[in-house]
Amino acid sequence: DIVMTQSPDSLAVSLGERATFNCKSSQSILSSSNNENYLAWYQQKPGQPPKLLIYRASTRESGVPDRFSGSGSGTDFTLTISSLQAEDVAVYYCQQYYLIPVTFGPGTKVDIK
Amino acid sequence: QLQLQESGPGQVKPSETLSLTCTVSGASISTGPYRWGWIRQPPGKGLEWIAAIYYTGDTAYNPSLKSRVTISADMSRNQFSLKLTSLTAADTAVYYCARLHRHGSAWYTVDPWGQGTLVTVSS
Repeated sequence: DIVMTQSPDSLAVSLGERATFNCKSSQSILSSSNNENYLAWYQQKPGQPPKLLIYRASTRESGVPDRFSGSGSGTDFTLTISSLQAEDVAVYYCQQYYLIPVTFGPGTKVDIK
Repeated sequence: QLQLQESGPGQVKPSETLSLTCTVSGASISTGPYRWGWIRQPPGKGLEWIAAIYYTGDTAYNPSLKSRVTISADMSRNQFSLKLTSLTAADTAVYYCARLHRHGSAWYTVDPWGQGTLVTVSS
């Protein structure tokens, strides 16, 4: 299985400031045939199911605010919230869908400082 | 608007079989291109994909659970179901049903998710 790791485990950021966190896969999830990275990001607010934010490492799902952006390639990926809002308090998970079984990282918890 | 709702017992005894059903409204599970599946989340922990099914009958399972899991669909009721046998305390989790989007030759992103149902394995 591809193992996904995330860092940090948690972070606290002031409202309006930038939040950046990382995801690493145990092997490359970049397709050589189409140059796509099969990496998604999810947001899980307390008491709610996860919600898909980004796929293909950097493509925002419809309706996701543009303060969320994804980057990276191969094995190293980053999710950035450019200006943290109160409603962004959540756990963020990365997921690879390059190989079965699809696997998720352990999550990064984001709080307000 | 697509909605998924899990139903099943909240508590099951060790060694017994868990049966969960997901009722889908706002979309038909008997046409493509989406798959339908199950993911679980132990309390306070991360996410584990369990299984997926396509309207053609094609299924896919997490190898770590494959020997104990069966996914099936009832197209007439627009429902799909999960059976998990030989339960232990390690199977205690919130179980989510969800729509899965297969990306070409790659596999699944997951959206949307049901609200989830907590299953506790305890005697």
